[in-house]
Amino acid sequence: QKEVEQNSGPLSVPEGAIASLNCTYSDRVSQSFFWYRQYSGKSPELIMSIYSNGDKEDGRFTAQLNKASQYVSLLIRDSQPSDSATYLCAVNPGGGNKLTFGTGTQLKVEL
Amino acid sequence: GAVVSQHPSWVICKSGTSVKIECRSLDFQATTMFWYRQFPKQSLMLMATSNEGSKATYEQGVEKDKFLINHASLTLSTLTVTSAHPEDSSFYICSATGTGGHTIYFGEGSWLTVV
Repeated sequence: QKEVEQNSGPLSVPEGAIASLNCTYSDRVSQSFFWYRQYSGKSPELIMSIYSNGDKEDGRFTAQLNKASQYVSLLIRDSQPSDSATYLCAVNPGGGNKLTFGTGTQLKVEL
Repeated sequence: GAVVSQHPSWVICKSGTSVKIECRSLDFQATTMFWYRQFPKQSLMLMATSNEGSKATYEQGVEKDKFLINHASLTLSTLTVTSAHPEDSSFYICSATGTGGHTIYFGEGSWLTVV
């Protein structure tokens, strides 16, 4: 089992819709969870971080964490074509500084 | 947010030569820096973790004599790919975190092409 699993997609949503991206992780002691957006040929940029169970909202983005189910998700409301990118889920197991990345989900927002 | 800068953004080198990539934290002291490699359509793979003033810790399968990492100051880490081969062609990305920080900031990445 991979440490961090994501559906590779592509996930296609129409402009203005809600995009839902999911991620599961295997290390139960993981403490910190991150969502990064990566455009083709570019470095990842941090979208959201979440450390506690529940929801965390920032603008059009909402991260959801369920440690019991070892599941973290990212919702993007009012999706825009500029949101089209690969979204990487990253987990910080054991409280250290290392990040373990999923393979990413490609999101396509269509006009 | 914090800024991490990489240089060069892209580099082409001949097979057998060495190439150095720099990673700088511009507005914070980076106690820990990480080096990743990403092949096309694949995820980021951690190569090594470096703490300022200490030897880097390499991930399993990464040759420490081939990928030399130096973290001599709190704002600069370098990755040197020695005796580069075409299979080393990849996107190399550094990231950094400061003292007590949970958030890790990424540099812009460096494209290496070995011909």
